[in-house]
Amino acid sequence: GESVGLHLPTLSVQEGDNSIINCAYSNSASDYFIWYKQESGKGPQFIIDIRSNMDKRQGQRVTVLLNKTVKHLSLQIAATQPGDSAVYFCAENRFTTSGTYKYIFGTGTRLKVLA
Amino acid sequence: EAQVTQNPRYLITVTGKKLTVTCSQNMNHEYMSWYRQDPGLGLRQIYYSMNVEVTDKGDVPEGYKVSRKEKRNFPLILESPSPNQTSLYFCASSLGGLAGPSSYNEQFFGPGTRLTVL
Repeated sequence: GESVGLHLPTLSVQEGDNSIINCAYSNSASDYFIWYKQESGKGPQFIIDIRSNMDKRQGQRVTVLLNKTVKHLSLQIAATQPGDSAVYFCAENRFTTSGTYKYIFGTGTRLKVLA
Repeated sequence: EAQVTQNPRYLITVTGKKLTVTCSQNMNHEYMSWYRQDPGLGLRQIYYSMNVEVTDKGDVPEGYKVSRKEKRNFPLILESPSPNQTSLYFCASSLGGLAGPSSYNEQFFGPGTRLTVL
């Protein structure tokens, strides 16, 4: 498969434990954030999103927390499974002066689930 | 099947030889985007398009061109490729309408194009 990054921070978690992946963003004006999962050889896949008027949002086995004070985002995965092994990216949305919007991605964290 | 397709999937070329990577989506999405992915740098947005004939630069547009003549297609053009454009490229699309529900903003990514410029 395609290599997605040779120098990524890695989080190793025992199967069944909870995982927490962290991300810092830079622009205090960003108001929309997304987490993506990228498996080896594939494109990123949307997991969950959150708007800046929320602190927490839950999905199926995943929770995203947003701390706007320190510009920090986290993804919590409950009862981590082998299929969760992947690289995880956070992304922030930024509006431009021309009224369009673009996406800024973090560098990613590799999650390894240990059997 | 709803999908984003890219062609070619793999390409090895030489410096200066113009190339085009095609991207097509069949979901009637308004927002389309090109990213490059390099080790340690994550995904960086090259160009994006809010709709037909509306394109804008992302964070790393130098050396690339795009066009959006029709809604489904968003080709990436490298007029004179250089070795520093060797990378993994992804096209993505979403419905658009940032103020809408999550389904409007979920970006669907293509399978990627591995480009090597010698």
